[in-house]
Amino acid sequence: DQQVKQNSPSLSVQEGRISILNCDYTNSMFDYFLWYKKYPAEGPTFLISISSIKDKNEDGRFTVFLNKSAKHLSLHIVPSQPGDSAVYFCAATEGQGGKLIFGQGTELSVKP
Amino acid sequence: GAVVSQHPSRVICKSGTSVKIECRSLDFQATTMFWYRQFPKQSLMLMATSNEGSKATYEQGVEKDKFLINHASLTLSTLTVTSAHPEDSSFYICSAYSPNRWNTEAFFGQGTRLTVV
Repeated sequence: DQQVKQNSPSLSVQEGRISILNCDYTNSMFDYFLWYKKYPAEGPTFLISISSIKDKNEDGRFTVFLNKSAKHLSLHIVPSQPGDSAVYFCAATEGQGGKLIFGQGTELSVKP
Repeated sequence: GAVVSQHPSRVICKSGTSVKIECRSLDFQATTMFWYRQFPKQSLMLMATSNEGSKATYEQGVEKDKFLINHASLTLSTLTVTSAHPEDSSFYICSAYSPNRWNTEAFFGQGTRLTVV
């Protein structure tokens, strides 16, 4: 049972445009959500997170939106840069335990 | 961000042998470490939760006798793949977490590419 789902395995965007990566979850007990960026053969790197008490968190070019009623979150990257090309994982957790449940990942390709 | 070091980054071993992977938190004490496994083009699947000084908690479907986890100190956890077989070939990643410093963010090691021949 996949509790965190990223239904788009890949996304291609032109440099300078907005990239929108989506994530859905089924467990209503999740209260903290994170986005990680990952290159092949490397560990994930933390990007941005959001608590369930918020609906938006912004950090530079990265903004995460949370829609609790729809159990949906999205990561917006604007403007997209070629260096953003990587696999993006969303993850969710319940409480402050550090145990993350990951989605399948979306491979973002930003073309010059 | 915090530094988590995982060693080795890649290892090739013969079928039937055991391999040990180390995960160290370099600049903080990690009360909990997690071990994940990733198959190509797939998600990171949580294998087990390792708490310092106590037995690891394994996720459903993960063989605890095959994947031995030891968390003897607040800065080191080890994963030993025993009697490795080709189907154990995968990318293994650890993460370290401390509630004293961060909310819920876990920091990841660089990962270990295991190939069993």
